[in-house]
Amino acid sequence: AQSVTQLDSQVPVFEEAPVELRCNYSSSVSVYLFWYVQYPNQGLQLLLKYLSGSTLVKGINGFEAEFNKSQTSFHLRKPSVHISDTAEYFCAVSELYNQGGKLIFGQGTELSVKP
Amino acid sequence: GAGVSQSPRYKVAKRGQDVALRCDPISGHVSLFWYQQALGQGPEFLTYFQNEAQLDKSGLPSDRFFAERPEGSVSTLKIQRTQQEDSAVYLCASSLFPRAASGRTGELFFGEGSRLTVL
Repeated sequence: AQSVTQLDSQVPVFEEAPVELRCNYSSSVSVYLFWYVQYPNQGLQLLLKYLSGSTLVKGINGFEAEFNKSQTSFHLRKPSVHISDTAEYFCAVSELYNQGGKLIFGQGTELSVKP
Repeated sequence: GAGVSQSPRYKVAKRGQDVALRCDPISGHVSLFWYQQALGQGPEFLTYFQNEAQLDKSGLPSDRFFAERPEGSVSTLKIQRTQQEDSAVYLCASSLFPRAASGRTGELFFGEGSRLTVL
């Protein structure tokens, strides 16, 4: 069975500092990987995805993530955060050839950017 | 509208009442998912539709939960005889891609959710 672990439930950081949100997954088969962001009082929004190819993927708002198969990780990074990046971030995985593309989500990491 | 619309946004039910939650996906989206998000947790899969066919209902927690999408567009999640443990935010998401697209089906557009509180 698949599982996703987000290692930090809360990450406080100052504006313009770099940030890394950690995500590890467990699966017996190959997977697709996603990061979703949930701004206050809004629905989840796709930030970036890894389906195949280059292991470094770039998403919206300057975020990027690197797929590391040997470490089963998909950490999210941004070199310089803004106040507007304050949100809940969810890592998710789906299995290749999974029927329906069902996503398994982590518990979320609350990013709080302070001035 | 342009996005996924869910109603009601907030629902308070007395224990034992039946509730119905509606999802209006993006027009033309083939795949539709329901997720349950408890406080402080990530979304958990409930069920999946491809057009009008319910292809996966493995996440429904009990037979009190029922979902339908009769015409392949609007979907309704019904919870019978609600219990306190049903209190959560129920999220609907849609995708342009069908099951066969596998990974791309994970590119979901989410609604804002329906927050259910059972007293």
